[in-house]
Amino acid sequence: EVQLLESGGALVQPGGSLRLSCEASGFTFSNYAMIWVRQAPGKGLEWVSAISGSGDTTYYADSVKGRFTISRDNSKNTLYLQMNSLRAEDTAVYYCAKDGVLVVVAATQGWGYFDHWGQGALVTVSS
Amino acid sequence: DIEMTQSPDSLAVSLGERATINCKSSRSVLSSSNNNNYLAWYQQKPGQPPKLLFYWASTREFGVPDRFSGSGSGTDFTLTISSLQAEDVAVYYCQQYYRTPFTFGPGTKVQIK
Repeated sequence: EVQLLESGGALVQPGGSLRLSCEASGFTFSNYAMIWVRQAPGKGLEWVSAISGSGDTTYYADSVKGRFTISRDNSKNTLYLQMNSLRAEDTAVYYCAKDGVLVVVAATQGWGYFDHWGQGALVTVSS
Repeated sequence: DIEMTQSPDSLAVSLGERATINCKSSRSVLSSSNNNNYLAWYQQKPGQPPKLLFYWASTREFGVPDRFSGSGSGTDFTLTISSLQAEDVAVYYCQQYYRTPFTFGPGTKVQIK
């Protein structure tokens, strides 16, 4: 059974930093791209960042580019999101999710839909 | 960026009746190389993470009831619930994965009339 468990959510002051983790189990972690999606209170879903299975390719939304860094440790089956220079508008529940396409298939077919999601980690940016 | 819009914002449907949600992308998400539409649908119930319903616009995820169907191509897509059940009360989102950033629609809230 695929499981994704986020941790690291907290209350942080504007300008501060935080690192989220997402521990994965139940599948071969390195075989899938992973993503972070966030949801501000009472709002819709916003795609934040993605990383390839190997970790050598990353993508970011413009709203977080230059402030957030996505990474993964395939030996630990863990995905990370380092968040710096946090702003009030970064307040949200942050979900990690697993891509639905094997990396070997994604190379030709494409990727980017998410078949398993964690329960989310709440990040609150406030003074 | 590809912008996604959905209509209506919300709808109330009687139990057993049909619910139809529309999704439109600002540019085509149909690939000419493989004829796939890079469009997914998700269901999110209160207090829960999103759940994948469809990918490639019309491929039903394992375990999704067949009262749900996905259709459309290019820029216009539809999610249909043929006979609404109480457990279908949720917000439904479409998402394109044709180009990064992978963008979501604003969501459509489905309620019981």
